[in-house]
Amino acid sequence: GESVGLHLPTLSVQEGDNSIINCAYSNSASDYFIWYKQESGKGPQFIIDIRSNMDKRQGQRVTVLLNKTVKHLSLQIAATQPGDSAVYFCADLPYNQGGKLIFGQGTELSVKP
Amino acid sequence: DSGVTQTPKHLITATGQRVTLRCSPRSGDLSVYWYQQSLDQGLQFLIQYYNGEERAKGNILERFSAQQFPDLHSELNLSSLELGDSALYFCASSGDTFSSSTDTQYFGPGTRLTVL
Repeated sequence: GESVGLHLPTLSVQEGDNSIINCAYSNSASDYFIWYKQESGKGPQFIIDIRSNMDKRQGQRVTVLLNKTVKHLSLQIAATQPGDSAVYFCADLPYNQGGKLIFGQGTELSVKP
Repeated sequence: DSGVTQTPKHLITATGQRVTLRCSPRSGDLSVYWYQQSLDQGLQFLIQYYNGEERAKGNILERFSAQQFPDLHSELNLSSLELGDSALYFCASSGDTFSSSTDTQYFGPGTRLTVL
């Protein structure tokens, strides 16, 4: 079935350190993956996406890695800042289902000053 | 600010009642999506409209319905409300390419529904 799961529900890092948030997916037909950030009281905010024909994509301080062999996705945040504290969701887009995003349960990132 | 607006921000009602949630997409976006976020189910896709037509459907209850109007705003109607319908309801919108389901979805601030 379709599901997107996360390895850890919470992650605590020191300010300035790098953060790595992991995600596993089960639908091998998914060809598009997205990371969203949700701050308390707000809607999910797009961070970065990656298509299945790529292994890596970089944005500003963020990198997404995709390993299709083991169906694993990760989000790396460089030099984590207090403003990065939020819940991070991975989502995948099943093939031929319009814009139906399947979200994981989320990882709460806490940044210690 | 994503450019997607939702009203109301909070809604408190009783079981058995009916409510309407409203969403205005970003300027130029033709697709509107509705999601439900609850503690036990997480973020769940409900339904998508593209330029007034239903395009994709999730596990949306029969008590729930949605529509997208000619001016592209959308409404989500929830009827015969139950305690378990208490949740955050998010609307998202995306670009104008019907063939590209990978257009980025931008989320609104949500409506918090509390059913007492």
